[in-house]
Amino acid sequence: AQTVTQSQPEMSVQEAETVTLSCTYDTSESDYYLFWYKQPPSRQMILVIRQEAYKQQNATENRFSVNFQKAAKSFSLKISDSQLGDAAMYFCALGGLTFGTGTRLTIIP
Amino acid sequence: DTGVSQDPRHKITKRGQNVTFRCDPISEHNRLYWYRQTLGQGPEFLTYFQNEAQLEKSRLLSDRFSAERPKGSFSTLEIQRTEQGDSAMYLCASSGRRSYGYTFGSGTRLTVV
Repeated sequence: AQTVTQSQPEMSVQEAETVTLSCTYDTSESDYYLFWYKQPPSRQMILVIRQEAYKQQNATENRFSVNFQKAAKSFSLKISDSQLGDAAMYFCALGGLTFGTGTRLTIIP
Repeated sequence: DTGVSQDPRHKITKRGQNVTFRCDPISEHNRLYWYRQTLGQGPEFLTYFQNEAQLEKSRLLSDRFSAERPKGSFSTLEIQRTEQGDSAMYLCASSGRRSYGYTFGSGTRLTVV
């Protein structure tokens, strides 16, 4: 069975600072994809960044980057230069079937 | 194509009634997924289609839940004999390739009274 664990229910960061959200997962598959999604309050979920397991290079999308440690089954999200619009629930996902319980990120002005 | 559309946005129903939700995916996406999301939780996978074929339905919560995707276009999720525990947000997502991630709709919020 696949599992995704997000151990930080809530995080906060000062505007313009950097924050890292943690995610660990478990799967027996060798070929898989990992995603981070953002869900602002009362708004739909949007894809932030994706990582293909066979690629060693960490994915980067503007201010968002991941630290993918395949052996440790860890997939953390780093948000640089945090902005007020980054406030949301962030979900780590393994493929399309397994999501973590989410981390609520608060940005402090 | 502006994205994944779900209808209705909100549904209030009395316990015991049947409800049906619709999802219109991005037209070029052949995969369509249904999830349930309760407050403060991540999406819980229910079922998915590749074109018109329902490839996984063992995660549907009970035999009261069923889904269809006729002709591989829009999909419907039906809940029969609703219970208060069915109250949740029901999300639909579509994907062209599993590596690209999933585009979510805004969801249908169901309240069973």
